[in-house]
Amino acid sequence: DGGITQSPKYLFRKEGQNVTLSCEQNLNHDAMYWYRQDPGQGLRLIYYSQIVNDFQKGDIAEGYSVSREKKESFPLTVTSAQKNPTAFYLCASSLTSGRVADTQYFGPGTRLTVL
Amino acid sequence: QKEVEQDPGPLSVPEGAIVSLNCTYSNSAFQYFMWYRQYSRKGPELLMYTYSSGNKEDGRFTAQVDKSSKYISLFIRDSQPSDSATYLCAMSAGTGRRALTFGSGTRLQVQP
Repeated sequence: DGGITQSPKYLFRKEGQNVTLSCEQNLNHDAMYWYRQDPGQGLRLIYYSQIVNDFQKGDIAEGYSVSREKKESFPLTVTSAQKNPTAFYLCASSLTSGRVADTQYFGPGTRLTVL
Repeated sequence: QKEVEQDPGPLSVPEGAIVSLNCTYSNSAFQYFMWYRQYSRKGPELLMYTYSSGNKEDGRFTAQVDKSSKYISLFIRDSQPSDSATYLCAMSAGTGRRALTFGSGTRLQVQP
C-alpha cells in the first residue's frame, strides 16, 4: 500500500520544548516537502529536499529544522525558537523536483498544539 | 499582494448545482496549475492537473486555465454533499523551482 504517513496525528508541546514530526513515504519519490497550514492562509512552505542529504529553506524556515538521511524519511523538528508553532503540518512528496512540476502527494497531517 | 488570490468562502450551494471556484495569480511564469481537495483535518488530495491554457475534464470536474487573464477555474457539475470540502488551487513555473504556490483555499458546502 503506497503512500505517505505522518506521525503522530496530534502532538502537544510545552513552551521551550523541541518536538519532531515524522514523515515517511514508500512511493520511491525523490523530493519531499514540509508545509504549514493556518486558517485562512493556505499552505506555506517550510523546507524541501530534492535528494538525500540535501535540503533547502522555504518561505518560513525560521524555528524549524529538517534532515534527509534516507530517501523515505524527512523528519521536521519544531524548535523552541518557533514563536507560534500551533498549526497543521503537512508533508508531501513528488517523483522529482526541478524539470517539471511533478504532482505532489500529501500525507494526512500532524496537528501541533502548544500548551 | 499575494501571488495567488482565492476567495475563502464559504460558498454554500444546493445539491445538484454547478459550482465555480476561481483563482487569480500575478506571476506570468506559472504554467502548471492544480486543484486539490481537502476534507476537514485531512491532507489535500489532487483533483486536477493542467499545463498551460485550456480546459481539462474528468468526470464531474472541469479545470479551465486562461493565462492571458491569469485566471483559473474549477467547475463541479451535479454537486454532491460529499463535495463539501476546501478546494485549494496551486501553481508552479516548473523551471527548477522548488515547490508549488498555493491559494488560501475556498470552503464549499453542498446542502442536501
